[in-house]
Amino acid sequence: GQNIDQPTEMTATEGAIVQINCTYQTSGFNGLFWYQQHAGEAPTFLSYNVLDGLEEKGRFSSFLSRSKGYSYLLLKELQMKDSASYLCAVSDSNYQLIWGAGTKLIIKP
Amino acid sequence: NAGVTQTPKFRVLKTGQSMTLLCAQDMNHEYMYWYRQDPGMGLRLIHYSVGEGTTAKGEVPDGYNVSRLKKQNFLLGLESAAPSQTSVYFCASSSGASGANVLTFGAGSRLTVL
Repeated sequence: GQNIDQPTEMTATEGAIVQINCTYQTSGFNGLFWYQQHAGEAPTFLSYNVLDGLEEKGRFSSFLSRSKGYSYLLLKELQMKDSASYLCAVSDSNYQLIWGAGTKLIIKP
Repeated sequence: NAGVTQTPKFRVLKTGQSMTLLCAQDMNHEYMYWYRQDPGMGLRLIHYSVGEGTTAKGEVPDGYNVSRLKKQNFLLGLESAAPSQTSVYFCASSSGASGANVLTFGAGSRLTVL
């Protein structure tokens, strides 16, 4: 079967760094997406990785290892507005998205 | 630039009632999707469309119907609502297949079935 695993909840301190992991087992792989979803709002796109390595975009970076079926989202210089759920989604062999349940990130002052 | 607009935002139904959720996008996207989001679960695809006049089943299509009569609109219908359909529904659109393109989501429609 197809499976995406992410921690349910994480807590971090304002100004710190946090790493949110995502492991996957899917039938085929055509890329991995990270979306951010604030409570009561729509998911919005953060990053896309299809090749191994680190993609940096401002305070956010995303890493992919296809051989390990593993990705992480790294958030630096955390701000209170980063409190949200972070959704990992993998594109399978049919270019359909398989979604993880999301990681709720709580930022404390 | 409105993006993706869903109506209504909230609705309470009684078991057995019917309703339609409307999704409209102004980005000229070919692909449109209906997802449901439940606590502790990932987004689950209900139905999707790859262009005007086309529809296809997703992961959890039972109890739902859809129509894409116009490119900009994608309607989700519940013919006989059940409590198991209590959920938050998200419409999304993209210029190509969801696994290769960024999805733009609507704000969501919270449906409660009593």
